[in-house]
Amino acid sequence: DIQMTQSPSSLSASVGDRVTITCRASQTIASHLHWYQQKPGKAPNLLIYTASNLHRGVPSRFSGSGSETDFTLTITSLQPEDFATYYCQQSYSTPQTFGQGTKVEIK
Amino acid sequence: EVQLVESGGGLVQPGGSLRLSCGASGLTFGSYWMTWVRQAPGKGLEWVANVNQDGSEKKYVDSVKGRFTISRDNAKNSLYLQMNSLRAEDTAVYYCARHYPYSSGWGKYYYYMDVWGKGTTITVSS
Repeated sequence: DIQMTQSPSSLSASVGDRVTITCRASQTIASHLHWYQQKPGKAPNLLIYTASNLHRGVPSRFSGSGSETDFTLTITSLQPEDFATYYCQQSYSTPQTFGQGTKVEIK
Repeated sequence: EVQLVESGGGLVQPGGSLRLSCGASGLTFGSYWMTWVRQAPGKGLEWVANVNQDGSEKKYVDSVKGRFTISRDNAKNSLYLQMNSLRAEDTAVYYCARHYPYSSGWGKYYYYMDVWGKGTTITVSS
């Protein structure tokens, strides 16, 4: 199975900050990497697919980059509604696997 | 608007069975792979199983193989997860989601999960 490791596991940031979350795959997955946002008690929502493509309706302050084993999710100017947990997920091989999550909290 | 609604959750004793359903609307249900993902209390997301468009191909995470069965009824726009021999570690919120396809450019398709239901909660406890 491909292991997905996110860092950090949590971070504290202020509104307006630039936030970067990284995701590393245990083997190459090309660009088969997707990012989800989850708020407490809610279902996950797709943010970015295939490493760098913004899902419809997602604000442009979110962006993704990377390929092969190393990926990044960036929020350029953190907004109050962005405080949530973020997960990366690979769809390169079965079982599809998720990172452990990165919780973005208010500083 | 594409909508997925899960049902069938509840409290069940260890060793018991439960059948989850996911009703779909606003999409051509039979055109998509569908999947179940679960989240144990306070934990991260875990993919559980998926099924292709006509139900002929099914895949499972190792921890549920032989105990869970995914199925679908395209005439009813519904996805199912039959869960047998339930264990305490199966306690979780179970989400159904649509697998949206994209091509790698080599004729092979991959998928991301673009629409999710709100989830249904399973508690396995005596």
